[in-house]
Amino acid sequence: DAMVIQNPRYQVTQFGKPVTLSCSQTLNHNVMYWYQQKSSQAPKLLFHYYDKDFNNEADTPDNFQSRRPNTSFCFLDIRSPGLGDAAMYLCATSRDPAGGQETQYFGPGTRLLVL
Amino acid sequence: QKEVEQNSGPLSVPEGAIASLNCTYSDRGSQSFFWYRQYSGKSPELIMFIYSNGDKEDGRFTAQLNKASQYVSLLIRDSQPSDSATYLCAATNSGGYQKVTFGTGTKLQVIP
Repeated sequence: DAMVIQNPRYQVTQFGKPVTLSCSQTLNHNVMYWYQQKSSQAPKLLFHYYDKDFNNEADTPDNFQSRRPNTSFCFLDIRSPGLGDAAMYLCATSRDPAGGQETQYFGPGTRLLVL
Repeated sequence: QKEVEQNSGPLSVPEGAIASLNCTYSDRGSQSFFWYRQYSGKSPELIMFIYSNGDKEDGRFTAQLNKASQYVSLLIRDSQPSDSATYLCAATNSGGYQKVTFGTGTKLQVIP
């Protein structure tokens, strides 16, 4: 089945220790998104890639970086995690927003715990 | 600032009843609207999307859109305990459909 996959599902890291979260998709969608979601809050968009074109949100901290080496994979790097970065990180994809196919499909998420 | 507003709930309905979830949005240029279901600790799952004014039905779910009033709703008929979850409303942003704005969600509890 075509899908959005995130690894790992749970990640524990230490304060200040870099961590990388992974997302892959078999949907061949053009756009990949990274969201941060904290308890009882809306998903907050961190950045997205439209093909190779990177789009950062103005309020995304510099501590968060992303890479998309190919169509299928996208990574979220947190350079120096703080306690406030503990959250669920959601990857989503959409096929072609410019062509009217803007529905976003989510992966299962990675829950990050910072000790 | 583009906003999508939802009552956080919880909305409690008895099993078999109709659950009505509401959402308003501030961006008049929003064209597409989405309802996602999110179980506790899980990721959002798409329930329905709607583009045109009026009603759209899919099984037990009906989405309603009124662009003049900037109002979207989701009706769940014959509510089941398995429908208990948080329902997120989302709207595309005007000026580019690459992004959507999410509401904070309404928590629905279906009482057996």
